[in-house]
Amino acid sequence: AQSVAQPEDQVNVAEGNPLTVKCTYSVSGNPYLFWYVQYPNRGLQFLLKYITGDNLVKGSYGFEAEFNKSQTSFHLKKPSALVSDSALYFCAVRDNAGGTSYGKLTFGQGTILTVHP
Amino acid sequence: DAGVIQSPRHEVTEMGQEVTLRCKPISGHDYLFWYRQTMMRGLELLIYFNNNVPIDDSGMPEDRFSAKMPNASFSTLKIQPSEPRDSAVYFCASSGWLAGANVLTFGAGSRLTVL
Repeated sequence: AQSVAQPEDQVNVAEGNPLTVKCTYSVSGNPYLFWYVQYPNRGLQFLLKYITGDNLVKGSYGFEAEFNKSQTSFHLKKPSALVSDSALYFCAVRDNAGGTSYGKLTFGQGTILTVHP
Repeated sequence: DAGVIQSPRHEVTEMGQEVTLRCKPISGHDYLFWYRQTMMRGLELLIYFNNNVPIDDSGMPEDRFSAKMPNASFSTLKIQPSEPRDSAVYFCASSGWLAGANVLTFGAGSRLTVL
């Protein structure tokens, strides 16, 4: 079974400071890892993904994430936070075992990011 | 493309009534997913289709829930009879190989309130 943990319900940072939103995962095989963002009253939007290759993945809006296999982590980062980054962030994982697992993205519980002016 | 279109955006109904949620995926996407979001349980995958065929419905909570995809451009999620614990935001999402593995495009959601 695959699972995702986002240990922080909420992260608060000041505008201009770096931000990190944490995510750890558990899968039986090699993971496909994703970050999505949700703004109020909207659906989730794709930010970035790790499938294979470089451990540092760059995505939309200046976000990046670092895949760490030994720590089974995929933390989301941004060097300089903006007030407009305030939203709900979801980490998700899929086991690449194939078969019916293709669509089975498992999402974390979400982390509310608040960036203060 | 207008993205994934869901209707209605808001639905308020009374316990016991039938509820039908609708979804139009992005043209060319061959995967369609139904998710449910609640504060208590987070985001749950209910069912997903590939080329209009249901692949995995293990997340459908019980027999009161059913989903269909009669063609590539339309899907429904039906709850009959509805109960207050079904109150949630229901999201439809679609994806395709060209979009990259599991890069889902979500609709704006249907907020269901069952009184």
